[in-house]
Amino acid sequence: GAGVSQSPRYKVAKRGQDVALRCDPISGHVSLFWYQQALGQGPEFLTYFQNEAQLDKSGLPSDRFFAERPEGSVSTLKIQRTQKEDSAVYLCASSLAGTSGASSTDTQYFGPGTRLTVL
Amino acid sequence: RKEVEQDPGPFNVPEGATVAFNCTYSNSASQSFFWYRQDCRKEPKLLMSVYSSGNEDGRFTAQLNRASQYISLLIRDSKLSDSATYLCVRMNRDDKIIFGKGTRLHILP
Repeated sequence: GAGVSQSPRYKVAKRGQDVALRCDPISGHVSLFWYQQALGQGPEFLTYFQNEAQLDKSGLPSDRFFAERPEGSVSTLKIQRTQKEDSAVYLCASSLAGTSGASSTDTQYFGPGTRLTVL
Repeated sequence: RKEVEQDPGPFNVPEGATVAFNCTYSNSASQSFFWYRQDCRKEPKLLMSVYSSGNEDGRFTAQLNRASQYISLLIRDSKLSDSATYLCVRMNRDDKIIFGKGTRLHILP
């Protein structure tokens, strides 16, 4: 079956531009996560949705970062006024179960990521 | 102490050898632990969950030591295809997920 997909796979932006990154989770998956992975580092948690509800956005580095999942499926991560330090791979992951009232050890399936380069 | 610490490596190991690496964590409230594998320019993929009783999957064995706050991964009879970065992951009771920076493994022919 189809896995998690992300688009675009690569994005080059000039400093100050706004970008929007899309994530299509596995159909039926309740939970969706966004991570930022800088070169040579592990993924850093950004935000988490359970269906359309954004339950945790503590990892978003600044108010320039905004994520939404309005219908509980596709999610968009938007970065306004991009800066050079935003250059990274942005990974999306989904899991079948919600983490409230269900097993929180559900496997996360990652998309291929969007490699963002800010010039 | 960082929340999840791993030796970044690289570990250069001849094919067929056994290799082990650890991951230490600082939060005793951590609930669940995992090892993920990440190939160069690819997304992380779950390798195995880690249980206190230890678990084995073919050539891979994972252990959790809550008293000393570390998890380990052992790879026996290493293959060239095992070359990758291995990410230690912990999940707290509040569902916060923390990745380590990863340990790079190179299997040498």
